[in-house]
Amino acid sequence: AQKITQTQPGMFVQEKEAVTLDCTYDTSDPSYGLFWYKQPSSGEMIFLIYQGSYDQQNATEGRYSLNFQKARKSANLVISASQLGDSAMYFCAMREGVTGGGNKLTFGTGTQLKVEL
Amino acid sequence: DVKVTQSSRYLVKRTGEKVFLECVQDMDHENMFWYRQDPGLGLRLIYFSYDVKMKEKGDIPEGYSVSREKKERFSLILESASTNQTSMYLCASKASSGQRNTEAFFGQGTRLTVV
Repeated sequence: AQKITQTQPGMFVQEKEAVTLDCTYDTSDPSYGLFWYKQPSSGEMIFLIYQGSYDQQNATEGRYSLNFQKARKSANLVISASQLGDSAMYFCAMREGVTGGGNKLTFGTGTQLKVEL
Repeated sequence: DVKVTQSSRYLVKRTGEKVFLECVQDMDHENMFWYRQDPGLGLRLIYFSYDVKMKEKGDIPEGYSVSREKKERFSLILESASTNQTSMYLCASKASSGQRNTEAFFGQGTRLTVV
């Protein structure tokens, strides 16, 4: 079963508009973390934002915010005031603990975002 | 500047060859990961390790093995390369975190072509 589900293979948004990228997750670990990464066409992976499972408030980092709905197991990324440079692939990821104290980090299939003039 | 370095940016290997992909990190991270990235499939976890000599299977371990003899180095081994292993391979490292935000850092990727 998929641990991280991103149901939008591609999205278009107009410059200066806000866009929401969907992510749902599945875990039985009560202590987990959720990440969003951006991968531009150059291929590098850029960390955007993090939400811990016990965090009471939704995470925000500049124009990025994470809409965390724990009961629904969703962690959607909201990008406000889109810019042309936001065009990229976006990945949602989840950290779970493993026996021995380590971390397992699982990614979704990604959403390709295209920002248009 | 934190760094995860993969030994090769591009590799071309023949079917049946034994292939080693090397990854080194300089951040003293406990956790290291190997992923393959294919269009439409995202990043799929092959193997990960949370300590020296410890390894755990990810979601697609078949046809791969790993080695972690030193904390800073995590090697991915294709025992007998096949054409369906042609892919982009990404290495990542991450500190163990509890609830703290410790992001994963990625290498630049190795584009492997098996012919």
